[in-house]
Amino acid sequence: DIVMAQSPATLSVSPGERASLSCRASQSVSRDLAWYQQKPGQAPRLLIYGASTRATGVPSRFSGGGSGTEFTLTINSLQAEDFAVYYCQQYHGWPPNYTFGPGTTLEI
Amino acid sequence: EVQLVESGGGLIQPGGSLRLSCAASEFIVSDNYMTWVRQAPGKGLEWVSVIYTGGHTFYADSVRGRFTISRDSSKNTLYLQMDSLRVEDTAVYFCARESATGIQSHGMDVWGLGTTVIVSS
Repeated sequence: DIVMAQSPATLSVSPGERASLSCRASQSVSRDLAWYQQKPGQAPRLLIYGASTRATGVPSRFSGGGSGTEFTLTINSLQAEDFAVYYCQQYHGWPPNYTFGPGTTLEI
Repeated sequence: EVQLVESGGGLIQPGGSLRLSCAASEFIVSDNYMTWVRQAPGKGLEWVSVIYTGGHTFYADSVRGRFTISRDSSKNTLYLQMDSLRVEDTAVYFCARESATGIQSHGMDVWGLGTTVIVSS
């Protein structure tokens, strides 16, 4: 099974700053990597798929990069509504066995 | 509005069974890959199962042989039959649409609000 790791577990930043979140896969997932945002009591929201493609309606301050085993989610000019938990998820291989990372909490 | 609404959660004893439902609006369940994802209290997300447009089904190791994903086209609804439930199955269960082009996934783009399953004696 592909194991996903995220770092840091918690990231403290201020509004207006830039945040960089990392995700690492235990083996190559090519670019089959998505990022989700989850706020307390809410369902996850798709931000990025294909490692770097923004989902519909996602602000341009969110960007994704990487391939293989190393990925990054960058959030520029942090807004108050961006403080949440962020998960990466791989969907590589056959048969499907999707796995999520443990999450990074973005806090003020 | 495109949306998913889950139902069927509740309190169940270990070893019991429960069936979750996920009703879709403004899109056709059988034309999409549909998944179940769960989240234990205070924990992260765990993929549970997927059903593809052709009807093929796949499961996480933790639920294979106990859970069954299915759909009813006439009701435009996704289901998760959960048997032999364990305490560790306690979680909020989300259904989600997996966007895809051919066999290439584009992530889970529509999510329900979730339904809570508590397995306890």
